[in-house]
Amino acid sequence: DVKVTQSSRYLVKRTGEKVFLECVQDMDHENMFWYRQDPGLGLRLIYFSYDVKMKEKGDIPEGYSVSREKKERFSLILESASTNQTSMYLCASSLNRGANYGYTFGSGTRLTVV
Amino acid sequence: DQQVKQNSPSLSVQEGRISILNCDYTNSMFDYFLWYKKYPAEGPTFLISISSIKDKNEDGRFTVFLNKSAKHLSLHIVPSQPGDSAVYFCAGLLHGGSQGNLIFGKGTKLSVKP
Repeated sequence: DVKVTQSSRYLVKRTGEKVFLECVQDMDHENMFWYRQDPGLGLRLIYFSYDVKMKEKGDIPEGYSVSREKKERFSLILESASTNQTSMYLCASSLNRGANYGYTFGSGTRLTVV
Repeated sequence: DQQVKQNSPSLSVQEGRISILNCDYTNSMFDYFLWYKKYPAEGPTFLISISSIKDKNEDGRFTVFLNKSAKHLSLHIVPSQPGDSAVYFCAGLLHGGSQGNLIFGKGTKLSVKP
């Protein structure tokens, strides 16, 4: 079974801090994604990556950056955390572009910015 | 513009009855449609999918129906159980899409009452 592991289940950070959210997958998937989930807004794509060192903006990239130095790891960075970035963050991976079984998600990181 | 719409934010059903979750889409290029289930504080998990060339797919208590002419799909759960209480996301899979494979709806929260 593919496993997508997010390093923290819960995080509390202060406004202005630089925050790193880590995601690791163990099945050699090419594609990795970062979403945030907010009530009434569903899953919104922040950034994604189809290959090492490659990244593309999703629907809401402002205030975020990403890093993919190794195939198995995809990091989401909040350069200067703000209270409106309080959310559930979900990492996902998939085998290749167009695979018909969709994504495998991690368990999520609940981030609170105070 | 929302390509995948779940117009009912919530649904309440009695245990043992049928749950019907609806999803509409606007993009005729979707190759597959997938349903994900999400419990609080967990990542979404894949539930069932259907190819755009099919009109029905069944897996145990879960059946997905696709009406291409109406650009509508629905997930039927029979019989509903309290453990089915979760948020259900409908998603369209787009081969070669510029913003990742899957386009998600905003979700429907299902509550199954004992």
